Amino acid sequence: DTGVSQDPRHKITKRGQNVTFRCDPISEHNRLYWYRQTLGQGPEFLTYFQNEAQLEKSRLLSDRFSAERPKGSFSTLEIQRTEQGDSAMYLCASSLGAHSGANVLTFGAGSRLTVL
Amino acid sequence: AQRVTQPEKLLSVFKGAPVELKCNYSYSGSPELFWYVQYSRQRLQLLLRHISRESIKGFTADLNKGETSFHLKKPFAQEEDSAMYYCALGYGGSQGNLIFGKGTKLSVKP
Repeated sequence: DTGVSQDPRHKITKRGQNVTFRCDPISEHNRLYWYRQTLGQGPEFLTYFQNEAQLEKSRLLSDRFSAERPKGSFSTLEIQRTEQGDSAMYLCASSLGAHSGANVLTFGAGSRLTVL
Repeated sequence: AQRVTQPEKLLSVFKGAPVELKCNYSYSGSPELFWYVQYSRQRLQLLLRHISRESIKGFTADLNKGETSFHLKKPFAQEEDSAMYYCALGYGGSQGNLIFGKGTKLSVKP
């Protein structure tokens, strides 16, 4: 297990195209999170899963964004009809379940999206 | 609303000098505070959390509920401490949703 893996690391797309990012969390972690980070800002929470259940979505997650974690393992984040404002680093993180380890997040390296 | 404020975008010190990275939070409940660090070309990683009350790489941070602060301190800065530091607030119990500050870039000069 090499930690949290994200793919692709970089994606350049044209406005209006759809993009999908994949995240493979640490195998024993049952929580998975998506964050977005733009230049000069800290990571902003988008959504998180407990196993396959999506438990919370931020208001930042417009209806063009959809996240899934079908078998409670890897997750995908899809952005439809991309806009230039979607350009950002998309970070995935995972953590143990409830109790003391829940808030200790292990981050992936991120997927950088550039929308032209 | 919950909020984390890191007032300094950049902090520059000389090697061996003391360092204090400021963090203030706004939350009416019982907070859980963290410091995450991102070294150049590395991923974001946990540095320390207030519950642990431990020192990591010589850094300490004390939660002051009266002043709603969680400042990060180190008595003698090292060049390898140069990095981006983010303060984060966990709220809602063990939900795991963290609110991050905008970060402070620490530069330690030789």
